[in-house]
Amino acid sequence: ETGVTQTPRHLVMGMTNKKSLKCEQHLGHNAMYWYKQSAKKPLELMFVYSLEERVENNSVPSRFSPECPNSSHLFLHLHTLQPEDSALYLCASSQENEGAINTGELFFGEGSRLTVL
Amino acid sequence: AQKITQTQPGMFVQEKEAVTLDCTYDTSDPSYGLFWYKQPSSGEMIFLIYQGSYDQQNATEGRYSLNFQKARKSANLVISASQLGDSAMYFCAMREGFVSGGYNKLIFGAGTRLAVHP
Repeated sequence: ETGVTQTPRHLVMGMTNKKSLKCEQHLGHNAMYWYKQSAKKPLELMFVYSLEERVENNSVPSRFSPECPNSSHLFLHLHTLQPEDSALYLCASSQENEGAINTGELFFGEGSRLTVL
Repeated sequence: AQKITQTQPGMFVQEKEAVTLDCTYDTSDPSYGLFWYKQPSSGEMIFLIYQGSYDQQNATEGRYSLNFQKARKSANLVISASQLGDSAMYFCAMREGFVSGGYNKLIFGAGTRLAVHP
């Protein structure tokens, strides 16, 4: 496999369920990201991990809990979600060398479409 | 204030014609990067083209070119010779400053849906 892989592609859950989204990157990158894409809204950055350390948490409710066990894997644990949390959750990775001038593009997976009933 | 503005929610173009997708940005940082991504119905965001704030020339990648007008803070994407497979959502994004902390924080616009007609 190549690139960034996300599972599951589709998830339906009730408000009391606990589920997890998984992301795996096969690019040897050192930074991983979770973005939320809701209908008619720009992509919202949720979390960033750099070298397996969380470096950004953009005021995301605690019902979303990220985990980065190693540089290739990123999880988003979901608990007691609300219907407004229904969205496409996109994982991305990048290879960044601090101080270097590079394009810094993110490589995205196909997303996990979450529906909360 | 919005950092990235895409004023065209939807655009139509005839196959083989050129189309311009608008993007304006707002930053006071002299160092920044501008990106365009394509999102087909599959959901994956596909990187198309990059322009650095200090780049003297407009970026080009195959049929994609970026019309960078720094004084006007605009970074329009031009797609030449449109193909049916170009039908998708297109997002403009910006990174303020250089890479810092070992990661790259992108701010995205709301997107433009492009439909290519045969």
